[in-house]
Amino acid sequence: DAGVIQSPRHEVTEMGQEVTLRCKPISGHNSLFWYRQTMMRGLELLIYFNNNVPIDDSGMPEDRFSAKMPNASFSTLKIQPSEPRDSAVYFCASSLALVYTGELFFGEGSRLTVL
Amino acid sequence: EDKVVQSPLSLVVHEGDTVTLNCSYEVTNFRSLLWYKQEKKAPTFLFMLTSSGIEKKSGRLSSILDKKELFSILNITATQTGDSAVYLCAVGGQGAQKLVFGQGTRLTINP
Repeated sequence: DAGVIQSPRHEVTEMGQEVTLRCKPISGHNSLFWYRQTMMRGLELLIYFNNNVPIDDSGMPEDRFSAKMPNASFSTLKIQPSEPRDSAVYFCASSLALVYTGELFFGEGSRLTVL
Repeated sequence: EDKVVQSPLSLVVHEGDTVTLNCSYEVTNFRSLLWYKQEKKAPTFLFMLTSSGIEKKSGRLSSILDKKELFSILNITATQTGDSAVYLCAVGGQGAQKLVFGQGTRLTINP
C-alpha cells in the first residue's frame, strides 16, 4: 500500500494568496484527520472526517481555513487568504477504525511557508 | 479542555544510556494513550496503552500507564543513534476519534 499521500510537499507563498493542500488516505480507511504542527504549539488537530462527513472542526483556527472530503479517496485543506502565522507543517492522517485502536497513519506532511 | 504534557522537552544522552520520557494528561473519559516516534517526517506508531499497570514492550522500548496518577512513561534501554527523534504522546477520549498530542520530547543520542 502506498500509505497516506500528501501534496505538495513544500509550498512557499506570499501573504494573501490562496493555498490548497491535498491528501489521499489509505484505501479502505474511513477516518481522515488534518493536523498542523509548529514548534510553539506542537501537533494540533484541525478537523476530522468519518465516512467523508466532517465530525469535528473545532480546531480550525478561523474562517480562512476550510476542508472538504468529496469522496473516500481525497481531501483538501484550503487557506484563503494565507497569513505568515499559518506557516507550519500540515499533516493528513487516516485510520480504518476509531483512532483509539492505535492505527493512525500519517502522511509525510506539507510544509507551508507564508512570506 | 483535554491536555497532554510531556517532559523533558529535550534530552541529550550518550549511546548506550537508558532514558525515560514522561507524559501526563488530563482528558475527559480517558480511552487510550499512544506513543509515536517522529524522525524527519511523519510520526510513526509505537504503542497504545489502555489498561493501567500493564507494560507494553518492543525490543529496547517499553511503556507503562498509570491511570490513577494520569501519566505514562516510555523507556528506551541501550540507546542507539537511530533512536534520535521526537517522541510524541497522545491521548484519546471515550467516544471521540481525535487524539490530543503533547509537545513532544526531542531525544538526541550522541555516539
